[in-house]
Amino acid sequence: DSGVTQTPKHLITATGQRVTLRCSPRSGDLSVYWYQQSLDQGLQFLIQYYNGEERAKGNILERFSAQQFPDLHSELNLSSLELGDSALYFCASREHNYGYTFGSGTRLTVV
Amino acid sequence: LAKTTQPISMDSYEGQEVNITCSHNNIATNDYITWYQQFPSQGPRFIIQGYKTKVTNEVASLFIPADRKSSTLSLPRVSLSDTAVYYCLVGAPGSARQLTFGSGTQLTVLP
Repeated sequence: DSGVTQTPKHLITATGQRVTLRCSPRSGDLSVYWYQQSLDQGLQFLIQYYNGEERAKGNILERFSAQQFPDLHSELNLSSLELGDSALYFCASREHNYGYTFGSGTRLTVV
Repeated sequence: LAKTTQPISMDSYEGQEVNITCSHNNIATNDYITWYQQFPSQGPRFIIQGYKTKVTNEVASLFIPADRKSSTLSLPRVSLSDTAVYYCLVGAPGSARQLTFGSGTQLTVLP
């Protein structure tokens, strides 16, 4: 157990729908990072939050949004889903000056 | 962003030492070098991080030459369970440069 908790583990939904992925960072970590990993794209950085504030943005689509709450958990919202959004979505947190700790991911399947 | 170049794949046999080299010619003064391991359908796992010379932990060693333009991850006496993708990341801790994962090296350990 890495200490980073992601729910749900699996999600199957239809095109056009909206889903919310949840992440709780390790205790004491203020940063949350979201990554998308599909078969043909590798690990793509989406967005970073630090203590409730957006800190960095990567290749995140406009249909996707995220936020970090006062208790430091984060949610990634994916809307108007397309087949191509099917992927593994990972959340990570980071200890100061150290490496990332990743959660076990949410596997999203859009049908 | 710091660009890294790694071999796409490597094969080895159980019990051998494996060295995976990463090139990062445009590494900056504040950049660290971090290696991750990823098994299928799991989040990447931190292996080792270093700035210069040699770093060793219970899992691996990291060799960084004086010019820091490359680094070598050394895995002693690999086993079948070391079959995974290995990523090299370069950047200052917490910086945007350290957010980007490359294609990684698929290591396959054969019996």
